[in-house]
Amino acid sequence: QKEVEQDPGPLSVPEGAIVSLNCTYSNSAFQYFMWYRQYSRKGPELLMYTYSSGNKEDGRFTAQVDKSSKYISLFIRDSQPSDSATYLCAMGVGGQNFVFGPGTRLSVLP
Amino acid sequence: ETGVTQTPRHLVMGMTNKKSLKCEQHLGHNAMYWYKQSAKKPLELMFVYNFKEQTENNSVPSRFSPECPNSSHLFLHLHTLQPEDSALYLCASSQDELAGSHPDSQYFGPGTRLTVL
Repeated sequence: QKEVEQDPGPLSVPEGAIVSLNCTYSNSAFQYFMWYRQYSRKGPELLMYTYSSGNKEDGRFTAQVDKSSKYISLFIRDSQPSDSATYLCAMGVGGQNFVFGPGTRLSVLP
Repeated sequence: ETGVTQTPRHLVMGMTNKKSLKCEQHLGHNAMYWYKQSAKKPLELMFVYNFKEQTENNSVPSRFSPECPNSSHLFLHLHTLQPEDSALYLCASSQDELAGSHPDSQYFGPGTRLTVL
């Protein structure tokens, strides 16, 4: 079993839709959970991170962590064409070795 | 554009060539990182430098040789690569290695797209 699993997509949605992106993991020691957004020909940029369990909201973005199920989600409300990118989940115990998922490519169609 | 720049942006090389990737950060940071991003595979940490000293080498083959002459510059020297080394190579920086352990402190460059023929 891979340490972090993420559906690679591609995922296509119409503008204004609610998008749900998910990752599962196997290491119960993970405490940091991150979502990165990576536009084409760019490096990843941190979108949100949470420590331990719970929800975090930032504008149209909500990150959820369910440690009992080893499952994390990123919700995007009122999706825009500018949200079209690859979304990477990452998680770690601390230190440098964050484990990344392979990324989900999202296309929001006007 | 971020405060981390990488050159070249694209590189095509043969298996017998020697080339170097360059990363420069303009953020006053002291830790720098090399990552490898292959198609449909997770981002992999390769090397970490903190105050010019290498502190992490994630079992990277010796055909990849990093160099950090100062806190602002990081190089990745490449020789006798294999086609499976084709990937996007990303550089990142953080204030220092301790700060870099916090998720919101690493800044990535745009990457170098490497193709090995």
